[in-house]
Amino acid sequence: GENVEQHPSTLSVQEGDSAVIKCTYSDSASNYFPWYKQELGKGPQLIIDIRSNVGEKKDQRIAVTLNKTAKHFSLHITETQPEDSAVYFCAATYPGNYGGSQGNLIFGKGTKLSVKP
Amino acid sequence: DSGVTQTPKHLITATGQRVTLRCSPRSGDLSVYWYQQSLDQGLQFLIQYYNGEERAKGNILERFSAQQFPDLHSELNLSSLELGDSALYFCASSHSGAQGGYTFGSGTRLTVV
Repeated sequence: GENVEQHPSTLSVQEGDSAVIKCTYSDSASNYFPWYKQELGKGPQLIIDIRSNVGEKKDQRIAVTLNKTAKHFSLHITETQPEDSAVYFCAATYPGNYGGSQGNLIFGKGTKLSVKP
Repeated sequence: DSGVTQTPKHLITATGQRVTLRCSPRSGDLSVYWYQQSLDQGLQFLIQYYNGEERAKGNILERFSAQQFPDLHSELNLSSLELGDSALYFCASSHSGAQGGYTFGSGTRLTVV
């Protein structure tokens, strides 16, 4: 099955700096890679995603890059703000027995990002 | 409000007991997923249902079971509870599969004493 590794487990940056979180996956059949943000006491919330036919995607201060050959993808947050402080999870689709649009997400263990004012 | 409703929000019970967690998916979503979140284990996939049928199983213990009903709500049953079962249990839903991402509920915090 799929295995997703995420680094670092904790990351502390100064406000205004950039933050980068990296993930690797094991199953070459994985074709969808979302990132989730989890604030204290809440469920994870999708912030950006990328599909395997795209190398990079950007949404304002957030960007995700994908290297299919190396099986790794990264989240980049620029101009960090205190409200970016949260736990971030990467995930990869595991198609499962039904393949196609079915399947489920396998998550990394999370990165706790702290943005210091 | 994400549209995915989980009840109860908090649950405290004793070892050896059985509990049922409930999830109502977002309107129109056919797939329901259950995840367990422990402090050092991240989000562990337990089980997936699609339109009433089990579609995938992850690291779900034999003491745990789930089902999805005709109205698409789902229940996760945890029995013979142990201290180590204390965790946050999340339900998520999607229209079909994982493509496009899930919508998560706010979770049920289970404490086994």
